[in-house]
Amino acid sequence: AQTVTQSQPEMSVQEAETVTLSCTYDTSESDYYLFWYKQPPSRQMILVIRQEAYKQQNATENRFSVNFQKAAKSFSLKISDSQLGDAAMYFCAYRYSSYNNNDMRFGAGTRLTVKP
Amino acid sequence: NAGVTQTPKFQVLKTGQSMTLQCAQDMNHEYMSWYRQDPGMGLRLIHYSVGAGITDQGEVPNGYNVSRSTTEDFPLRLLSAAPSQTSVYFCASRWTENTEAFFGQGTRLTVV
Repeated sequence: AQTVTQSQPEMSVQEAETVTLSCTYDTSESDYYLFWYKQPPSRQMILVIRQEAYKQQNATENRFSVNFQKAAKSFSLKISDSQLGDAAMYFCAYRYSSYNNNDMRFGAGTRLTVKP
Repeated sequence: NAGVTQTPKFQVLKTGQSMTLQCAQDMNHEYMSWYRQDPGMGLRLIHYSVGAGITDQGEVPNGYNVSRSTTEDFPLRLLSAAPSQTSVYFCASRWTENTEAFFGQGTRLTVV
């Protein structure tokens, strides 16, 4: 079974600094997707960034970028120039690519605090 | 554009009661799913559907039923509520197997 592990229950960063959130996963599949979701206190799940496993290039969305290491099954999220609005729970998620698969596996989450 | 709409946002049930959590999406998405979120455990899949008339079980299906009679709606039924079902429930939808999932705002359910 696929599992997703986030080893950092809590992280803290100073405003304008850079922080990296860790995620590892376990799978025997070769074609899959990885995601980072942000959950602010409003409870809304917001997609931050996604990575297709077949792409070697790391995904980037403005201040958010990932370090995808397929062989090591590692998928870390880097937040640059951290802002107060980045404070939230961050979830790493995995889904393997299949027509009839709707099973997204989530990690337990990392709570990010941003200090002014 | 409403996206994914869940109702109600909050609910308190007594043990043994039944109820239905509603989920509707207006994006014509084929894939819909229900998750529960418990502290320290992330989100876990309860049931999912890959199209109208097609449903399947996820990781934690016991105590829940679903049906998908239309593309837009995917209700989740609690047959006989138990305190272990106290959780936050999320409905999600997506267009294809290759696209991102959109989530509703969640329903906080408390069973006493």
